[in-house]
Amino acid sequence: QKEVEQDPGPLSVPEGAIVSLNCTYSNSAFQYFMWYRQYSRKGPELLMYTYSSGNKEDGRFTAQVDKSSKYISLFIRDSQPSDSATYLCAMTANSKLTFGKGITLSVRP
Amino acid sequence: KAGVTQTPRYLIKTRGQQVTLSCSPISGHRSVSWYQQTPGQGLQFLFEYFSETQRNKGNFPGRFSGRQFSNSRSEMNVSTLELGDSALYLCASSLSGQGYTFGSGTRLTIV
Repeated sequence: QKEVEQDPGPLSVPEGAIVSLNCTYSNSAFQYFMWYRQYSRKGPELLMYTYSSGNKEDGRFTAQVDKSSKYISLFIRDSQPSDSATYLCAMTANSKLTFGKGITLSVRP
Repeated sequence: KAGVTQTPRYLIKTRGQQVTLSCSPISGHRSVSWYQQTPGQGLQFLFEYFSETQRNKGNFPGRFSGRQFSNSRSEMNVSTLELGDSALYLCASSLSGQGYTFGSGTRLTIV
């Protein structure tokens, strides 16, 4: 079993839709949880970063962590065509980032 | 403030050669990590340096090595290149080892 599993996608939604992206993990040592966005030919860009279970909101983005279920989610409200990118979940233990495979999101105008 | 800078952006090498990639972290960041990204395997951790010391290492063969200088700049070296080493190599820097900022990467193609 991989340490981090992410829904494979791709995912296509109409503009304005609410998007839900999910990852599960198996390693209880993971302490910090992140979501990155990656545009084509660019490096990953940190979107959200959280430590504890619960929700964290930043504008149209909400990150949710449930440590008891080993499950994290990213919600995007009022999705825009500019949100079209690959989204990667990532988790750290001992300064080593472990990533999900990523999901490609396309938001149709 | 300048981001993470990786050079070169693109590189083409032949099998058997060696290559050195460079990474300049954000000013003040002492942790530098390297990752390999391929379509099949996704992003995989290579190693992490903090204050010139390798603090963590991923599951890559010894052909992959790195170092960090006193100014926190880091280099990654791959010897005896194989076709399977073709990938995007990403460097990330961090102030505290938690939130990481990535560079745009070096696209390495082996022919």
